[in-house]
Amino acid sequence: AQKVTQAQTEISVVEKEDVTLDCVYETRDTTYYLFWYKQPPSGELVFLIRRNSFDEQNEISGRYSWNFQKSTSSFNFTITASQVVDSAVYFCAPQGGSEKLVFGKGTKLTVNP
Amino acid sequence: DAGVIQSPRHEVTEMGQEVTLRCKLISGHNSLFWYRQTMMRGLELLIYFNNNVPIDDSGMPEDRFSAKMPNASFSTLKIQPSEPRDSAVYFCASSQGLRMNTGELFFGEGSRLTVL
Repeated sequence: AQKVTQAQTEISVVEKEDVTLDCVYETRDTTYYLFWYKQPPSGELVFLIRRNSFDEQNEISGRYSWNFQKSTSSFNFTITASQVVDSAVYFCAPQGGSEKLVFGKGTKLTVNP
Repeated sequence: DAGVIQSPRHEVTEMGQEVTLRCKLISGHNSLFWYRQTMMRGLELLIYFNNNVPIDDSGMPEDRFSAKMPNASFSTLKIQPSEPRDSAVYFCASSQGLRMNTGELFFGEGSRLTVL
């Protein structure tokens, strides 16, 4: 079974600051995926990224980047030059062979102008 | 393309009443997930289906909850009788398949249930 820990319950930053959201996961599967989802105040869950456990290369997409460290079972998410529109709850979720996503408690990010 | 469609968006009911939440999958998707979100417990997976067959219902809280997929594109989650502790946002999500090359889960906008 998968388990995920997002130790930061809430983070508050000022616009243009960089911010890193931590995610530590546990899984017994040798092959798995890792996901990040965003839940803005409107409530819907928006897919951000999916990473395969075999691919440890860091990924960058615009202001977003992800650091996958298999040795420490971490999949951290960094937002560079944060904006007010980044304010949301962010969820990390591992997905093993059973396909179901197990979500963490989420980190609530508030970006203040 | 239409996304996952859930109805109703909001439901307020009284304890003891039956509640039915509905979900229409994205065309071509064959896996369906029901999640519940509360402040206390976060996002919990209740049940998921693949090709209309329930694969894992270990998250269903108790016998008052039941879920069905009468066809490949539609699902219902029923609570009978409802209780105040069932108040939550219920999300439906769909994806393309059960194998490791699956894509992401696509979520509906959620159904906010309040049981008085």
